[in-house]
Amino acid sequence: AQTVTQSQPEMSVQEAETVTLSCTYDTSESDYYLFWYKQPPSRQMILVIRQEAYKQQNATENRFSVNFQKAAKSFSLKISDSQLGDAAMYFCAYRGSNYKLTFGKGTLLTVNP
Amino acid sequence: EAQVTQNPRYLITVTGKKLTVTCSQNMNHEYMSWYRQDPGLGLRQIYYSMNVEVTDKGDVPEGYKVSRKEKRNFPLILESPSPNQTSLYFCASSPRWRSLVADEQYFGPGTRLTVT
Repeated sequence: AQTVTQSQPEMSVQEAETVTLSCTYDTSESDYYLFWYKQPPSRQMILVIRQEAYKQQNATENRFSVNFQKAAKSFSLKISDSQLGDAAMYFCAYRGSNYKLTFGKGTLLTVNP
Repeated sequence: EAQVTQNPRYLITVTGKKLTVTCSQNMNHEYMSWYRQDPGLGLRQIYYSMNVEVTDKGDVPEGYKVSRKEKRNFPLILESPSPNQTSLYFCASSPRWRSLVADEQYFGPGTRLTVT
């Protein structure tokens, strides 16, 4: 079974600075997707970024980028120029051939003004 | 607007009183799923459905039932709720055939359930 580990229960960053959230996963599959979801206080699950395992190029979405290391099974999220609105719980998730999303336990990000 | 809706959004009930949380999507998605979110545990899958009349257990199915009689609806049924089912519940859907695993799951707004 796949597992997703987020080793940082909480992180904090100063506004306008850069922060990196860590995620590692375990799988025996070669074709899969990885996602970062953001959950603000409203509780809505918002997709931040996705990475296809077969693509070597790291995904980027505006201020959000990932460092995908397939051999190391690592998938970290970098947030540049952090904004107050980035404060949220962030979940790393894996989706394999069975369609199921397996989530990490989350990292609570605080942005300090 | 493409969306997944859940009702009710908030529910307080008592132990043993049957309840149903509805989930509906308007995107013609084949795949639908229920998750529960608990502090420190992330989201865990309860049940999922690959298509109409096809459902299967996720990681934490005990105490729950589902049905998929129509493509758009995927209700979650708690026959005899217990306090350990107090949680935040999410329904999600995604298309199935565009790519085997590519498509993101669209989440509903969540249902906060409290069982006393």
